[in-house]
Amino acid sequence: GAGVSQSPSNKVTEKGKDVELRCDPISGHTALYWYRQSLGQGLEFLIYFQGNSAPDKSGLPSDRFSAERTGGSVSTLTIQRTQQEDSAVYLCASSLDQGFGNTIYFGEGSWLTVV
Amino acid sequence: QKEVEQNSGPLSVPEGAIASLNCTYSDRVSQSFFWYRQYSGKSPELIMSIYSNGDKEDGRFTAQLNKASQYVSLLIRDSQPSDSATYLCAVPGNYQLIWGAGTKLIIKP
Repeated sequence: GAGVSQSPSNKVTEKGKDVELRCDPISGHTALYWYRQSLGQGLEFLIYFQGNSAPDKSGLPSDRFSAERTGGSVSTLTIQRTQQEDSAVYLCASSLDQGFGNTIYFGEGSWLTVV
Repeated sequence: QKEVEQNSGPLSVPEGAIASLNCTYSDRVSQSFFWYRQYSGKSPELIMSIYSNGDKEDGRFTAQLNKASQYVSLLIRDSQPSDSATYLCAVPGNYQLIWGAGTKLIIKP
């Protein structure tokens, strides 16, 4: 597609429920990133995928968070047993590859509210 | 671990003046640097990238890189209210960009 596409754009869920957030990167981009941004805060790196390599999961805050990327394209971020502190905007981004100088393009984000 | 530091602001600048945003980084071998703009409630978007020492100009925006002093700046000339946003500085890490916390810029009419 023309840009990074994320869905849903907004999600309100009850504490303890599981949620899935989807990201469709720019066509041809091999690198895909998930970030979290709480209100008024900076970007928090969650996970990074590059081609068929093992993902860098070093930013995932707990084992309730997981992500996968199927066929090197679409990615799903899953949050199990959601907590109120999970409320944030979850941003997906992609780049041509992980090389220096490659621009990262962000999607519009998935706004998650846990009530 | 690379670190990128920015003054969180807010930085208040009168309309028409020059806004100067600064970013310092810890890793001397960093080769490329990025400035992103993020409007409230929106996702970050790239403004400029810079790889070489000196200045790079793009319209009203000028990025300045000083590798010896390990800082990169963004100047916005003829500031407009529409420039009010948070400006994020980023430096490549091992696999992904290392982000500063951002400087909130307010342009006052």
